[in-house]
Amino acid sequence: EAGVAQSPRYKIIEKRQSVAFWCNPISGHATLYWYQQILGQGPKLLIQFQNNGVVDDSQLPKDRFSAERLKGVDSTLKIQPAKLEDSAVYLCASSSPFSGNYEQYFGPGTRLTVT
Amino acid sequence: SQQGEEDPQALSIQEGENATMNCSYKTSINNLQWYRQNSGRGLVHLILIRSNEREKHSGRLRVTLDTSKKSSSLLITASRAADTASYFCVNAGNNRKLIWGLGTSLAVNP
Repeated sequence: EAGVAQSPRYKIIEKRQSVAFWCNPISGHATLYWYQQILGQGPKLLIQFQNNGVVDDSQLPKDRFSAERLKGVDSTLKIQPAKLEDSAVYLCASSSPFSGNYEQYFGPGTRLTVT
Repeated sequence: SQQGEEDPQALSIQEGENATMNCSYKTSINNLQWYRQNSGRGLVHLILIRSNEREKHSGRLRVTLDTSKKSSSLLITASRAADTASYFCVNAGNNRKLIWGLGTSLAVNP
């Protein structure tokens, strides 16, 4: 089966600009996650969707970050405006609730550099 | 917030030796998962242990769970250079929320 797809793979922007990332989960996976991983640190969960509903967005900086999953399939994560500290890899993952385990499958990530 | 804690934070061993990493957690779990991250293959799920299990094996991996101590350990036997990576434990709670540890960086020297 096809894995989790993300685009773009790399993005360089200036601070105060906007950026959007796209994720297409594994077919049939109802749960979708966005993570931020700063170099040298572990992944930080930004938002978790179950279908098109939000399960957890407690660590999403809502003043500048937004995410949507309108049709319960693919998702976009937006940063507006970007700050230098947003430089990180943004990872998307999906899991199937049918297993009951929430084992996550990760995409390759988008490396964002804010200058 | 990330409540899990792995120790050690960094571990360096020789090829062929065993590597043991520990994880402590604070909130109740439905299951606990271990992931590996290296530059070549990104983040990959390794093994999962349910809250009612005490030990599980998968190839060269052995994971244990002690719910009374809220801790888990991951043992990699006969390590290889390709095992060089960061290893994370993830607390998958009953509320569907996931809590990641800070990771152990493992270096396996040829």
